[in-house]
Amino acid sequence: GQQVMQIPQYQHVQEGEDFTTYCNSSTTLSNIQWYKQRPGGHPVFLIQLVKSGEVKKQKRLTFQFGEAKKNSSLHITATQTTDVGTYFCAGPRDPMRFGAGTRLTVKP
Amino acid sequence: NAGVTQTPKFRVLKTGQSMTLLCAQDMNHEYMYWYRQDPGMGLRLIHYSVGEGTTAKGEVPDGYNVSRLKKQNFLLGLESAAPSQTSVYFCASSYPGRSYGYTFGSGTRLTVV
Repeated sequence: GQQVMQIPQYQHVQEGEDFTTYCNSSTTLSNIQWYKQRPGGHPVFLIQLVKSGEVKKQKRLTFQFGEAKKNSSLHITATQTTDVGTYFCAGPRDPMRFGAGTRLTVKP
Repeated sequence: NAGVTQTPKFRVLKTGQSMTLLCAQDMNHEYMYWYRQDPGMGLRLIHYSVGEGTTAKGEVPDGYNVSRLKKQNFLLGLESAAPSQTSVYFCASSYPGRSYGYTFGSGTRLTVV
């Protein structure tokens, strides 16, 4: 079964609102990766987190890795319509197991 | 800079027919993977390969076979297609130990009727 669990499954926001998706594991993750899949597209790698407590930013996206390396989050500030898609986390090591994803829709 | 190329992009099969999905990468990646994606279930690993001539089972290998005779190619075969294999299939590749993540192909949408 899946080794990484994601919540929520769906999130609908008004443009300009913030969005957060969470990834949890019952076991320690050696690393965690995040991907974005646009509707009708394929997953595209966003970032990899390796260190306990790590925080990385990409413009309006903030990625965090928990201190115990069992959870991670992706936060988008002030969502835009271009953020629409499904966000996946993946871990714990090669070959990666993917979470079920959080589907984000943004109302203009 | 093709990356990962999957063929075909779409296919409709009748139950019991066989087919092969082709994945080709030009990035000299060691590792290659086949995933299937079904609504609400994310990406599930079918088979993977850590190098030319090697393959291993993933989470959902039943009904599928794979081969990696050349480093750049990873083939996924369905010997006797079943409606439960209706899905979108993604191939991916990666280089071990790097933080670049997986590079995915554009997918093959397979329908088994």
